[in-house]
Amino acid sequence: AQRVTQPEKLLSVFKGAPVELKCNYSYSGSPELFWYVQYSRQRLQLLLRHISRESIKGFTADLNKGETSFHLKKPFAQEEDSAMYYCALSIQGAQKLVFGQGTRLTINP
Amino acid sequence: GAVVSQHPSWVICKSGTSVKIECRSLDFQATTMFWYRQFPKQSLMLMATSNEGSKATYEQGVEKDKFLINHASLTLSTLTVTSAHPEDSSFYICSANAAGKIYEQYFGPGTRLTVT
Repeated sequence: AQRVTQPEKLLSVFKGAPVELKCNYSYSGSPELFWYVQYSRQRLQLLLRHISRESIKGFTADLNKGETSFHLKKPFAQEEDSAMYYCALSIQGAQKLVFGQGTRLTINP
Repeated sequence: GAVVSQHPSWVICKSGTSVKIECRSLDFQATTMFWYRQFPKQSLMLMATSNEGSKATYEQGVEKDKFLINHASLTLSTLTVTSAHPEDSSFYICSANAAGKIYEQYFGPGTRLTVT
């Protein structure tokens, strides 16, 4: 079965420190992976997806098929990065997303 | 662009009544819409996928007679919670795919349902 695991429910780092939010997936097919972010009192929005290989707001994520991981990284955290982050897997051909449990990131000043 | 709205943003209803939640794509045509449920401090759980003009596809464990989904046009999908009970209280979120962008979902702001 398809599954997305985010092992950390909460993550707290200081401003300027590096950030890594972990995501592992389980899927027998070719995965499409995404990171979604939800800022306080805002709707869920797409942060980045692996296929575009973009860097958004300083965040990057590399798909590692060997480790079945798609960790989200940022070298220098900013206070405005505080939010809820969800890793999601798109099941090929089905369009639907399977979400991880989410990680609440808090950036301390 | 690619804005999805939901109405109402919150609703309180009595046990046994039905509640309808609307999801609209405001500036694009949504080939597919999705309905999620989110419990406090938990992740989004997909309830069903709906395509315009056809029956919704429900996820395992979701009662289709309880959660009626209608996708009558390319810009509107509705979720009706029938004979609501307190355990149906939750945050319901819809999302939509734009034509030609099947892997990019745009999310609505959510509807908080409280059943008393």
